[in-house]
Formats: sequence, structure tokens, C-alpha cells
Amino acid sequence: GAVVSQHPSWVICKSGTSVKIECRSLDFQATTMFWYRQFPKQSLMLMATSNEGSKATYEQGVEKDKFLINHASLTLSTLTVTSAHPEDSSFYICSAYLRTAGKGEKLFFGSGTQLSVL
Amino acid sequence: TQLLEQSPQFLSIQEGENLTVYCNSSSVFSSLQWYRQEPGEGPVLLVTVVTGGEVKKLKRLTFQFGDARKDSSLHITAAQPGDTGLYLCAGGGAAGNKLTFGGGTRVLVKP
Repeated sequence: GAVVSQHPSWVICKSGTSVKIECRSLDFQATTMFWYRQFPKQSLMLMATSNEGSKATYEQGVEKDKFLINHASLTLSTLTVTSAHPEDSSFYICSAYLRTAGKGEKLFFGSGTQLSVL
Repeated sequence: TQLLEQSPQFLSIQEGENLTVYCNSSSVFSSLQWYRQEPGEGPVLLVTVVTGGEVKKLKRLTFQFGDARKDSSLHITAAQPGDTGLYLCAGGGAAGNKLTFGGGTRVLVKP
């Protein structure tokens, strides 16, 4: 199956610093990637849709200036948490969208990034 | 706003028992996916169903898509501790290329 690589797996940073998370589709081109946030024992909350070559689309309530998304190529999207604060601590997951004729839509997920802000 | 409601939210059973997880909506979806997620990892796709009434089997797991493509179920036969995890359903097609996720069902299979 398709592979999505997400790095880093975990990161600890000081309050006020910025953290960049990378999401790569390794064996297919993804014009659309998604970024999610997940709190313990809860489902995924969509933060934004990352579109290659254009601006990301953010969900209601998500600060676009705080969560910067760049999708400069068909295989790479990055999420930068700027001026991170302890309340930004969470599990962040990316996914890449793949649509195949007759097989419907599929999302292939990265392994997630656990962010801890001290 | 489309919603996918999963039930139950949490299920604890003994090894060898059967279980069913439900995913219901008032919206029609062109496809529905089921994922399993383990702590600290991303969700892993189990199956995609696209046709109303479709039934797919994956070893001890049976997935069904409702005739009207508004609901789905996941049935696990003779559950094993390795089936423990968070099960997520996600519907596609009604909101562009965004998937709508259910709230998840945490399954715990005790040895």
C-alpha cells in the first residue's frame, strides 16, 4: 500500500519556539494532504487541507498564522507550529489523499508527531 | 455539517468473544473507510467500501456498507488481544475530498 512518512515522531521544545513537522508521500503524488490534531483517546480533528501550489484551507477555529502549512511539491507538506505554547502540545497527524477510479477515496496516514511544549 | 456517529464509544470484551461497531449518519457517502489506530501511531486503513449493501471480509473482520450508503458496521469474530485499538470510520465524497471521521470506538480485548 501507499506509504506516508512523517517526521519527527516526537519533539520536545521550549515555549515560544517554532517546530516544523514534515509529511512526505513516498510512492505516490499527493496534490492534497491533510493535517489533523488528536487529543488522547479521541478521534482526529481536521485542522487544515494542504493543496500543492496554493494556500492551505483552514478549518474554523484554527489559527492560520500559528499553524503555517506549506505544500511546495507533490510529495511534501510541512506544518510549522509557530511560537508554540504548552496548550499546543498534542499528537499531530498528516495524511495524503489518493483517489483511484472505481476504488473510492483513500487517506494514507503518517505515523504522527507527539509535540510536547515545556 | 455532516456527522458520523460511532457506537459504542468504548468496548471491553474477553478474548474469543464477538463485537460489532456501528457507524451511522444522516448523510450519504460515496465511500466509507475503516481504520485502526494504536497509541502513538497513525491510523491504518483496514478497508474501503463503495457500493451500497457491500460486504467485505478481512480474516475475522467483516465490514458492511448500508444499502443507502449512510451507515456501516464492523464485526469482529473471536476477538484477540491484538485487535485492541481505536477503530475509526470515515466517510468520503459528500464534502469534496475531505473525509468525515466518526468519534472513534476504543476496543479492549482482554486475554
